[in-house]
Amino acid sequence: GEDVEQSLFLSVREGDSSVINCTYTDSSSTYLYWYKQEPGAGLQLLTYIFSNMDMKQDQRLTVLLNKKDKHLSLRIADTQTGDSAIYFCAESEGSQGNLIFGKGTKLSVKP
Amino acid sequence: EPEVTQTPSHQVTQMGQEVILRCVPISNHLYFYWYRQILGQKVEFLVSFYNNEISEKSEIFDDQFSVERPDGSNFTLKIRSTKLEDSAMYFCASSGGTSGYEQYFGPGTRLTVT
Repeated sequence: GEDVEQSLFLSVREGDSSVINCTYTDSSSTYLYWYKQEPGAGLQLLTYIFSNMDMKQDQRLTVLLNKKDKHLSLRIADTQTGDSAIYFCAESEGSQGNLIFGKGTKLSVKP
Repeated sequence: EPEVTQTPSHQVTQMGQEVILRCVPISNHLYFYWYRQILGQKVEFLVSFYNNEISEKSEIFDDQFSVERPDGSNFTLKIRSTKLEDSAMYFCASSGGTSGYEQYFGPGTRLTVT
């Protein structure tokens, strides 16, 4: 079945760039998402990309998609302590399809 | 900014009891979802709902589960006879309408079954 994999932990220094990686197995995935979860909170949609795009930039966030390798990444420029959270990669087959999530990457930002 | 709300934030119940988790989706959304996250595990899809009926459900969503949109604003998840393994965070999400297809999540209800 479909699967989404992410590394579990990432630690960076404040001001550095963070790159969180994700791989997925479903070649029919058409929408790929990044969600952020702060402690005790729900899932906040950060950004998304269509499968026919290679890159999307939104302020400090850059999403790169390599469809051939089924690899998605989220780059956070100038990482701040407020970016410390768990970041979930998710994919869906259709515009209203259910989301398949990865386990989440816990980003720790050291001052 | 419109948001999805969920009540209660935490529900403790005894095994075998029925629970109803409530959600108020974003008002002009058309698609509604329930997900759950067992502690330390992935967020898992349970069910999606559109046009007053279930459009898709996962293997987890067995006969113990049901969903309902009893009025124009609420969306509920009922678990008829809770089991210990139902303990999890339950998230409601909604999408569609003028905002497009992105799913917006509520803050979740933590269900603890003892």
